[in-house]
Amino acid sequence: GIQVEQSPPDLILQEGANSTLRCNFSDSVNNLQWFHQNPWGQLINLFYIPSGTKQNGRLSATTVATERYSLLYISSSQTTDSGVYFCAVGPETSGSRLTFGEGTQLTVNP
Amino acid sequence: NAGVTQTPKFRVLKTGQSMTLLCAQDMNHEYMYWYRQDPGMGLRLIHYSVGEGTTAKGEVPDGYNVSRLKKQNFLLGLESAAPSQTSVYFCASSSFFDYPPYGYTFGSGTRLTVV
Repeated sequence: GIQVEQSPPDLILQEGANSTLRCNFSDSVNNLQWFHQNPWGQLINLFYIPSGTKQNGRLSATTVATERYSLLYISSSQTTDSGVYFCAVGPETSGSRLTFGEGTQLTVNP
Repeated sequence: NAGVTQTPKFRVLKTGQSMTLLCAQDMNHEYMYWYRQDPGMGLRLIHYSVGEGTTAKGEVPDGYNVSRLKKQNFLLGLESAAPSQTSVYFCASSSFFDYPPYGYTFGSGTRLTVV
């Protein structure tokens, strides 16, 4: 099956810093989503971005499908950004099903 | 609009006991999924359903069974629980007709401990 690798596995920032999270995947996809899992365990969908660039407030994401990677940018980080960020992909053959990476654990200190 | 609701939120089982986890969605989504989350391993797909009356195996189906008798409900059963099934279980749903297509909505999770 498709492989999804996220880096870095852990990231510690001071409030106000910027960060870039990376997701590499091993096959062509027609579905790529970024999720945030907050410290209480809730999973929230951030972006649906199988290609191109999107922005939502301080967060933006870019996927270069031909090179099989996606980037999530967090600017001016806040303590509420802490949690785990997951990249999940759906290969062209799997339709709706998503395969998740192992996540990036982000800690933002005040 | 409740979205995706999972019950129960917490459960402790003894080895060999059985239980059923219930997932209910009120968004008329055709696709539903059960994932398990273990420390350091992300989320792994157990079973999924592409519509009422259909189910299929995911990445880690052994020891679990599922049923989807009604479009809004997706049940996950453990017939004989084992300590290796200690995990946090998440249900999700999606629809091709939503925007974004196949955008996942997750329930709040069920924390299961098997002793």
